[in-house]
Amino acid sequence: DTGVSQNPRHKITKRGQNVTFRCDPISEHNRLYWYRQTLGQGPEFLTYFQNEAQLEKSRLLSDRFSAERPKGSFSTLEIQRTEQGDSAMYLCASSIRDEQYFGPGTRLTVT
Amino acid sequence: AQSVAQPEDQVNVAEGNPLTVKCTYSVSGNPYLFWYVQYPNRGLQFLLKYITGDNLVKGSYGFEAEFNKSQTSFHLKKPSALVSDSALYFCAVRDAGGYNKLIFGAGTRLAVHP
Repeated sequence: DTGVSQNPRHKITKRGQNVTFRCDPISEHNRLYWYRQTLGQGPEFLTYFQNEAQLEKSRLLSDRFSAERPKGSFSTLEIQRTEQGDSAMYLCASSIRDEQYFGPGTRLTVT
Repeated sequence: AQSVAQPEDQVNVAEGNPLTVKCTYSVSGNPYLFWYVQYPNRGLQFLLKYITGDNLVKGSYGFEAEFNKSQTSFHLKKPSALVSDSALYFCAVRDAGGYNKLIFGAGTRLAVHP
């Protein structure tokens, strides 16, 4: 499968715990995006990497959130001290031109 | 600021009938417009895009979209709906501020009835 992959697919955690998600983009894609999608809404942009450089962060990305893309390959998104409001689907996308290709997402439930 | 509106939460259509899912946009400059489809428990799948050129854009699975600059619309269409087309459809516009991030509408649920 040469598409975007994300792990884990589902994560249930208790409030206050830290979680980390991984995204493996399509191999030749140098652009990588993270989005968050809540029920009944379209995805909202969180952050953007071009190769290993994080070039843009949304105001949605509080200081409890951090993302990395070491060596411009896979990316991780970490949420520290999770809150119930963090419950959402976290989507990763990669691109090389105009259209972005999305992974299946990681569904986070904070109890 | 760029924005996208999908005025219908749900569209119902009988199998075999034509379908239209509406989208209007607000951008500064030339719009880069996209349609994506989301099936349950899956990520978004790219259907088609408008960058420049012909106002009628053809995409995957028999879908097409019509760009109308004067009405600032980019409606998704298909001549003959299939039950398997039932899914959540998102219209998106590329943010003119750079880095190509997408701004999505709230989505329209398409239900195709046999």
